[in-house]
Amino acid sequence: DTAVSQTPKYLVTQMGNDKSIKCEQNLGHDTMYWYKQDSKKFLKIMFSYNNKELIINETVPNRFSPKSPDKAHLNLHINSLELGDSAVYFCASSPRQGIGELFFGEGSRLTVL
Amino acid sequence: AQSVTQLDSQVPVFEEAPVELRCNYSSSVSVYLFWYVQYPNQGLQLLLKYLSGSTLVKGINGFEAEFNKSQTSFHLRKPSVHISDTAEYFCAVRNSGYSTLTFGKGTMLLVSP
Repeated sequence: DTAVSQTPKYLVTQMGNDKSIKCEQNLGHDTMYWYKQDSKKFLKIMFSYNNKELIINETVPNRFSPKSPDKAHLNLHINSLELGDSAVYFCASSPRQGIGELFFGEGSRLTVL
Repeated sequence: AQSVTQLDSQVPVFEEAPVELRCNYSSSVSVYLFWYVQYPNQGLQLLLKYLSGSTLVKGINGFEAEFNKSQTSFHLRKPSVHISDTAEYFCAVRNSGYSTLTFGKGTMLLVSP
């Protein structure tokens, strides 16, 4: 069983559309994250949730809305997609807030045309 | 604030040669340091971590790193690389009190025969 799984792995869509990426972890961790990796491979934190509560929102446009229905799931919904949203989005989890390393999913490659 | 500098964007090396990937961090408080590897089209995998204790840390795949507080460095080393080590390597830092990792811009290790 994959520890942190994301779907879909690839997503190609037109500008202006709305799309979602789903993430699930089966590690029993309390904290989950979304990171964005741009075309130059730079990784930047977007959001962090601890036990379903938003704890970090790093100057991300409000077109991006994370949702955590329970502590094992963290989904990312993006409205009105723009060309600059094209990137690989990584979900990650850690045992508790500020504790230990992050465990990453395989990534979801979003291409906006 | 926490930040990481990876001085080399690309390191070419021949198979069976030793390699060092450099990482410097900035912090005024206690830090936790990590090295991750990313193979093409995959997620990030933890190579090793420094949380406390011995400054020489051994990781998977024969890699090791040394935490040097006076030089604020955490360089990654391997005595003899393989073709399969070709990948992007990321150094990351978390200050005590922060819940997220801040990543460097990555170093592409290119191993040729």
